[in-house]
Amino acid sequence: QKEVEQNSGPLSVPEGAIASLNCTYSDRVSQSFFWYRQYSGKSPELIMSIYSNGDKEDGRFTAQLNKASQYVSLLIRDSQPSDSATYLCAVNKIQGAQKLVFGQGTRLTINP
Amino acid sequence: EAQVTQNPRYLITVTGKKLTVTCSQNMNHEYMSWYRQDPGLGLRQIYYSMNVEVTDKGDVPEGYKVSRKEKRNFPLILESPSPNQTSLYFCASSFRRSGTGTYEQYFGPGTRLTVT
Repeated sequence: QKEVEQNSGPLSVPEGAIASLNCTYSDRVSQSFFWYRQYSGKSPELIMSIYSNGDKEDGRFTAQLNKASQYVSLLIRDSQPSDSATYLCAVNKIQGAQKLVFGQGTRLTINP
Repeated sequence: EAQVTQNPRYLITVTGKKLTVTCSQNMNHEYMSWYRQDPGLGLRQIYYSMNVEVTDKGDVPEGYKVSRKEKRNFPLILESPSPNQTSLYFCASSFRRSGTGTYEQYFGPGTRLTVT
């Protein structure tokens, strides 16, 4: 079982709709959770972080964390073509240290 | 401008020829990491450093070396590169946000390495 799992996609969503990206992780001691966006040929860019159960909203993005179910999700409201990218879920297992494990990423395409 | 820089951006080399990929950050971050990204395998951590002279192995350290003699620099060394080290490499630096105690990580632009 992979430590961090994502559906690789591609996920196709019409412009203006809500895009929902999911991630599960295997290690219950995981502390911090991150979503990165990566455009083709570019480096990953941090877009959301979440540390406690529940929802965290930042503009059009909402991260949701459920530690009991070991599940993290990212919702993108009012999807735009510029949101088309690969979204990487990352988990930091060790508190007090930077040791990230990444999922393989979900490729998202927003159709105009 | 706050940034992480890597050099070279592209490199084609031959098996066994030692090479170094440099990484530098101007944000005074304590933490730095190296990753490789391969199709189907995603981003995997090679080494990380929590401060000057403090480094530790990530998930795929075999065939790589690092050093952290200065806070701003974290070079990746391939003593004897092999074709299976052909990959896209990213350096990253991060800081610990006070209050939450969590880390926010910023990536360099990447180095595409081909070993023939």
